[in-house]
Amino acid sequence: DGGITQSPKYLFRKEGQNVTLSCEQNLNHDAMYWYRQDPGQGLRLIYYSQIVNDFQKGDIAEGYSVSREKKESFPLTVTSAQKNPTAFYLCASRQGYTGELFFGEGSRLTVL
Amino acid sequence: KQEVTQIPAALSVPEGENLVLNCSFTDSAIYNLQWFRQDPGKGLTSLLLIQSSQREQTSGRLNASLDKSSGRSTLYIAASQPGDSATYLCAVSGRNFGNEKLTFGTGTRLTIIP
Repeated sequence: DGGITQSPKYLFRKEGQNVTLSCEQNLNHDAMYWYRQDPGQGLRLIYYSQIVNDFQKGDIAEGYSVSREKKESFPLTVTSAQKNPTAFYLCASRQGYTGELFFGEGSRLTVL
Repeated sequence: KQEVTQIPAALSVPEGENLVLNCSFTDSAIYNLQWFRQDPGKGLTSLLLIQSSQREQTSGRLNASLDKSSGRSTLYIAASQPGDSATYLCAVSGRNFGNEKLTFGTGTRLTIIP
């Protein structure tokens, strides 16, 4: 089945540690996105990539980094510089500007 | 700057009723509008995508309409069921200073009362 796979589903991190969230898609989509969702708030864009080896900052990129070395993969690293990393992280992909947007099941990060 | 609003933030209706969820946006220069549902602790599931040239889309008991000129979309759910309980979000695609831009509403939390 085609879709987007995020892992891990749940992740616990100590303060000062970097963690990487995985996002893999087999939909052959060019564009991939990372969003953060906090309780009672809407989705906020962290980074997006429209093509391999290229990505752009979203609205809340500080403290995060990404790479896009393969079309199907768009990992997100939450660095120790992110002041409030506890959140639900969602990865999405679509084909071009007008394609239907699909989401993964999300990764919940908790900082202890 | 595009702003997307969904009112009300929460809605409860008895099972079997038809209902309408609203989504309004401030900039009519959009590529498309998409409706999603989100169950607690889960990702977003795409329900309907309406391109800017279309007026409505239908899937089963769901019908979404788009009026670009007035900056409005509605999601109509017929014969509601308890399984329809979820948060419904809309998102518009457009351009912002040459870059593509997806803007989400904050959602309507729907509860269907058995």
